[in-house]
Amino acid sequence: NAGVMQNPRHLVRRRGQEARLRCSPMKGHSHVYWYRQLPEEGLKFMVYLQKENIIDESGMPKERFSAEFPKEGPSILRIQQVVRGDSAAYFCASSPPGLRGNTEAFFGQGTRLTVV
Amino acid sequence: QQPVQSPQAVILREGEDAVINCSSSKALYSVHWYRQKHGEAPVFLMILLKGGEQKGHEKISASFNEKKQQSSLYLTASQLSYSGTYFCGTEQGKLIFGQGTELSVKP
Repeated sequence: NAGVMQNPRHLVRRRGQEARLRCSPMKGHSHVYWYRQLPEEGLKFMVYLQKENIIDESGMPKERFSAEFPKEGPSILRIQQVVRGDSAAYFCASSPPGLRGNTEAFFGQGTRLTVV
Repeated sequence: QQPVQSPQAVILREGEDAVINCSSSKALYSVHWYRQKHGEAPVFLMILLKGGEQKGHEKISASFNEKKQQSSLYLTASQLSYSGTYFCGTEQGKLIFGQGTELSVKP
């Protein structure tokens, strides 16, 4: 049973380009979280998704950031027109269906985005 | 609202014990504990679902006091491999993490 898979592991983008981060949840998991982590800082919640549905996006910046989790395929976190301040590690975590918060969430290895 | 962890950092010698606390201003229904080593992904340790529940993982255990809206993580007879940053997470419609506690175990 493969774990949570994120790709790419490292991504370098020039200012103004678009970044697409992918997350394939564990088998049987239908919920995905995205978090952003700056060096030496904590895990900042961005968005919580179920297949074909955004449950909570209160942590997403209002502009340039979007996320989706289609019926088929991985969850995508998309950052348009990247700026240097977007440089960070982006982690996704997946959890199985069940009472929200009452099931374990497992993390992928993260995508380290560097904007030059 | 982000749970609050204390202490922010702790340094131990191998074999010593430590306690990490996590508190919330909101009612807690579950508490998750994770450990993250530098440059790696957070690793799930345990989840506590009921007030008063206690769990163990190797020599790491945790308790959950629902009334006080607190959870504590206990590390006994610490090993070098316990070094890392520990995060507690609380369910508030989504999983929100505290700011982390950096634990360093020295030989």
